[in-house]
Amino acid sequence: ILNVEQSPQSLHVQEGDSTNFTCSFPSSNFYALHWYRWETAKSPEALFVMTLNGDEKKKGRISATLNTKEGYSYLYIKGSQPEDSATYLCAFPYSGAGSYQLTFGKGTKLSVIP
Amino acid sequence: DAGVTQSPTHLIKTRGQHVTLRCSPISGHKSVSWYQQVLGQGPQFIFQYYEKEERGRGNFPDRFSARQFPNYSSELNVNALLLGDSALYLCASRRSYGRTNTEAFFGQGTRLTVV
Repeated sequence: ILNVEQSPQSLHVQEGDSTNFTCSFPSSNFYALHWYRWETAKSPEALFVMTLNGDEKKKGRISATLNTKEGYSYLYIKGSQPEDSATYLCAFPYSGAGSYQLTFGKGTKLSVIP
Repeated sequence: DAGVTQSPTHLIKTRGQHVTLRCSPISGHKSVSWYQQVLGQGPQFIFQYYEKEERGRGNFPDRFSARQFPNYSSELNVNALLLGDSALYLCASRRSYGRTNTEAFFGQGTRLTVV
């Protein structure tokens, strides 16, 4: 059973603040690490797929880093805006015996206060 | 292009009943997976289908079954519903089934309430 953990569980920040949260995952048999943003009443939307140790990816004000040796990834949001309010999920994909499945963390729920 | 579509969006069923949830993947995507998300938890893998064959199954009882049709759409069936089956059921599609470095595309989910 794979264990993917995210912290904190929830976060309230003021508009304009920068914030970050953590995803930890098994460091053995690493394939990739996915980040998804899930806004209320919408579909989870992929932010990043990270595959290489030391990888850093950026999309607008959001960026993510990856450390596969120690099994963690950080997601950073610079200058948070109310529209960043969402649950951020990380997922560890497993592919074997012809199967592909994602093991998700419980998510970090971000609320940005105007 | 239309995204992943799921129907119905909401459903209320009584314990012991049967339910069928439907999913249409993105055009060209042959892999469909189903996930269950209960409050306070991340989505949990139920099934994966690729080219109409079951390719993976999560830790769910035999009351859960699924199938994929020639047009790659999929149905998730749950028999003998229990209160604990109340959850959001998400469908995800991908173009391929094995590569891990491509993202999954999700529908908005079906909210199932069992009373």
